[in-house]
Amino acid sequence: DAKTTQPNSMESNEEEPVHLPCNHSTISGTDYIHWYRQLPSQGPEYVIHGLTSNVNNRMASLAIAEDRKSSTLILHRATLRDAAVYYCILRAYGGSQGNLIFGKGTKLSVKP
Amino acid sequence: DAGITQSPRYKITETGRQVTLMCHQTWSHSYMFWYRQDLGHGLRLIYYSAAADITDKGEVPDGYVVSRSKTENFPLTLESATRSQTSVYFCASSEAGGTGELFFGEGSRLTVL
Repeated sequence: DAKTTQPNSMESNEEEPVHLPCNHSTISGTDYIHWYRQLPSQGPEYVIHGLTSNVNNRMASLAIAEDRKSSTLILHRATLRDAAVYYCILRAYGGSQGNLIFGKGTKLSVKP
Repeated sequence: DAGITQSPRYKITETGRQVTLMCHQTWSHSYMFWYRQDLGHGLRLIYYSAAADITDKGEVPDGYVVSRSKTENFPLTLESATRSQTSVYFCASSEAGGTGELFFGEGSRLTVL
């Protein structure tokens, strides 16, 4: 079973911020939180990852709850090109780091 | 060219035939993965490999065989294809460690008649 829980779908308006939630209540201390997105008819692509502190890059921001049981991917200004399926996964530092379970992700629709 | 490539991109075969999907990466990443994607199921892990000659089962390994004799290649074989194996297959690679970013191929669309 997936170690993370995400809403099946979300909608946003263009140029507005989007907050995509992810619950991972069974996260362990050595699990990194990764986000990927999959555009239509393409393979998934990496977006961002973090361990404990909030992270920013050119694509998005990642806000991690203090207890690490949830996280939020933030797209600061959604564009039509951000319409995709977003996946939140956990990757362990140690032994089971190859057992990467993606689940169904959140399908983000962006309205003009 | 550097990157991860899958072949063939499209394949149509018949029930009972053997099919091999190839995956090649040029980064010398230690980890490689095979996923399948079906409508309504998202991405499901079939097999993964931590290094040459080391492979492990994922969520849905039945009906598939993998090998990894060289670091850069990770072929996926359907020894006797079934209609339920009609799917889009994605290969990925990454460095080891919790921070390792996965790089995905473009996918191989397999249809089993």
